[in-house]
Amino acid sequence: EAGVAQSPRYKIIEKRQSVAFWCNPISGHATLYWYQQILGQGPKLLIQFQNNGVVDDSQLPKDRFSAERLKGVDSTLKIQPAKLEDSAVYLCASSLDRQIGGYTFGSGTRLTVV
Amino acid sequence: QQQVKQSPQSLIVQKGGISIINCAYENTAFDYFPWYQQFPGKGPALLIAIRPDVSEKKEGRFTISFNKSAKQFSLHIMDSQPGDSATYFCAASYAGGTSYGKLTFGQGTILTVHP
Repeated sequence: EAGVAQSPRYKIIEKRQSVAFWCNPISGHATLYWYQQILGQGPKLLIQFQNNGVVDDSQLPKDRFSAERLKGVDSTLKIQPAKLEDSAVYLCASSLDRQIGGYTFGSGTRLTVV
Repeated sequence: QQQVKQSPQSLIVQKGGISIINCAYENTAFDYFPWYQQFPGKGPALLIAIRPDVSEKKEGRFTISFNKSAKQFSLHIMDSQPGDSATYFCAASYAGGTSYGKLTFGQGTILTVHP
């Protein structure tokens, strides 16, 4: 089966600019996650979708980050305006209906804010 | 209480040796403990996982040891190979409730296996 697709792979922006990341999960996976992985740290959950509804966005900095999952398939994560500390790899993952152990991660988008 | 603490930060072993990575957790509500392997430029990939009702799980060269009373678990890689060189993350999650499926990761261990 095809994996989790993410684009772009790399993005360099200046602080205060906006940026968007795209994720296409594995077909049929109802649950979609966005994680932020700062260099040298483990991934941290930003937001969790179940179909097109938000299950958990408690760690999403809502003043600058937003995410949507239209039609319960693809998802976009947006940052506006970006700060230097947003430099990280943004990982998308999907699973069958929040199935334990069924996570598949994409390769991520590496964001550098200068 | 949500933290998962992982050690060491980095580990160097010789080919054929045993690599051991340790993790400790605080939240006793966690009931699923996976280990992920991450290569540069790739997302984490599930390596092996354990539930707290067993003390050990083995898959090939990889073994998880789990100590529920100490709230600790560890990954042992037997006969370590250069291809095992990667970053390893422990994680913890819940098998139920509203946080079902949400992973809390450790800080990661960079493993280097010398030929």
